[in-house]
Amino acid sequence: EIVLTQSPATLSLSPGERATLSCRASQSVGSALAWLQQKPGQAPRLLIYAASNRATGIPSRFSGSGSGTDFTLTISSLEPEDFAVYYCQQCDTYRTFGRGTNVESK
Amino acid sequence: QVQLVQSGSELKRPGASVKVSCKASGYLFTSYSVDWVRQAPGQGPEWMGWINTNTGKPSYAPGFTGRFVFSLDTSVSTAYLQIGSLKPEDTAVYYCARVQSSGNDFEYWGQGTLVTVSP
Repeated sequence: EIVLTQSPATLSLSPGERATLSCRASQSVGSALAWLQQKPGQAPRLLIYAASNRATGIPSRFSGSGSGTDFTLTISSLEPEDFAVYYCQQCDTYRTFGRGTNVESK
Repeated sequence: QVQLVQSGSELKRPGASVKVSCKASGYLFTSYSVDWVRQAPGQGPEWMGWINTNTGKPSYAPGFTGRFVFSLDTSVSTAYLQIGSLKPEDTAVYYCARVQSSGNDFEYWGQGTLVTVSP
């Protein structure tokens, strides 16, 4: 099973600041990595697919990069609605999710 | 527009079984597989597997064999997840999901069904 390790577990930032989230895979997943956002009581929402492509309707402040085993999600300037939990998920071999990064308001 | 609508919350006793439904609309049901994802309280999502809506063949992720059964009723564009011999650790929100029209990631999600297993 491919294990995805996300860091940090919690990120405390203020609106307007830049958020950088990391996801490391236990073996190469190529570019078969997605980022999802989840707010309390809601289903996850797809933000980034194939490592660096924004999903439909996702604002340009969200960007993804990386390939192989190391990936990054960047939120260039946090909006109030961006405070949430973010998961990475690979679909190279079966599917697995990371344990999430909680982006909280400082 | 694509929608996945799931059945409501369930409260079950240990040892019982439960069947969760996921009704699809807005697209041809047999064109895309349906996946199932479990999320225990305070935990990240776990992929359970998927069912081919063309052939009806299910594929289960490791750890989700035996008590978990995926099925379909294509006449009503609905997928089902049945869990037998429920245990307290099965308490979770269960989601159905569908991939993008031109990709392999979950763009469409049901609203989730909370299954609570308690004596």
